[in-house]
Amino acid sequence: EADIYQTPRYLVIGTGKKITLECSQTMGHDKMYWYQQDPGMELHLIHYSYGVNSTEKGDLSSESTVSRIRTEHFPLTLESARPSHTSQYLCASSEFRDQETQYFGPGTRLLVL
Amino acid sequence: SQQGEEDPQALSIQEGENATMNCSYKTSINNLQWYRQNSGRGLVHLILIRSNEREKHSGRLRVTLDTSKKSSSLLITASRAADTASYFCAPNQGGKLIFGQGTELSVKP
Repeated sequence: EADIYQTPRYLVIGTGKKITLECSQTMGHDKMYWYQQDPGMELHLIHYSYGVNSTEKGDLSSESTVSRIRTEHFPLTLESARPSHTSQYLCASSEFRDQETQYFGPGTRLLVL
Repeated sequence: SQQGEEDPQALSIQEGENATMNCSYKTSINNLQWYRQNSGRGLVHLILIRSNEREKHSGRLRVTLDTSKKSSSLLITASRAADTASYFCAPNQGGKLIFGQGTELSVKP
């Protein structure tokens, strides 16, 4: 079982609210990732980080933002949630020496009303 | 699209049978990984095969890789009801994993 945690697991929120999805890992991994996944669909990379103070946008454009102030913490923020943001958000981490094997958290299911 | 594309999209078998899932990709890779996802949960890494390897085994899992055809297969032998999940291949392209839609496997007791 990977030591990577996401909170909350489920979030139902109204349109226009600001939300932050938390992701923490205790493995000391330099690389961290955020994916967005709709039910039965592929994972889309929306953000990634190769270390502290490093963040990059992924292949899928997203209105969310991320920060990486500490190695173990990679929060994702939506300034103003909309129904189109309803999805599952998965956080992952990896270590370069491990051939990019990624370890995933349990995910956050977001529903924006 | 640079996705790993799995085939079939869904597979239903009886316990004890073998399950084969296929994956195709479009560009050169460093390695290819297979992951499993139980409903509504995160993904769990199953097995990694390097670009210079052709076959790899791990318990009841057997993975093949054909870089000339840009394809891979995952075989689960003697399936169990607990193997019911979605299975994703993830070609590693330049350090990024590219996930497809996955194969939804249902193993009936």
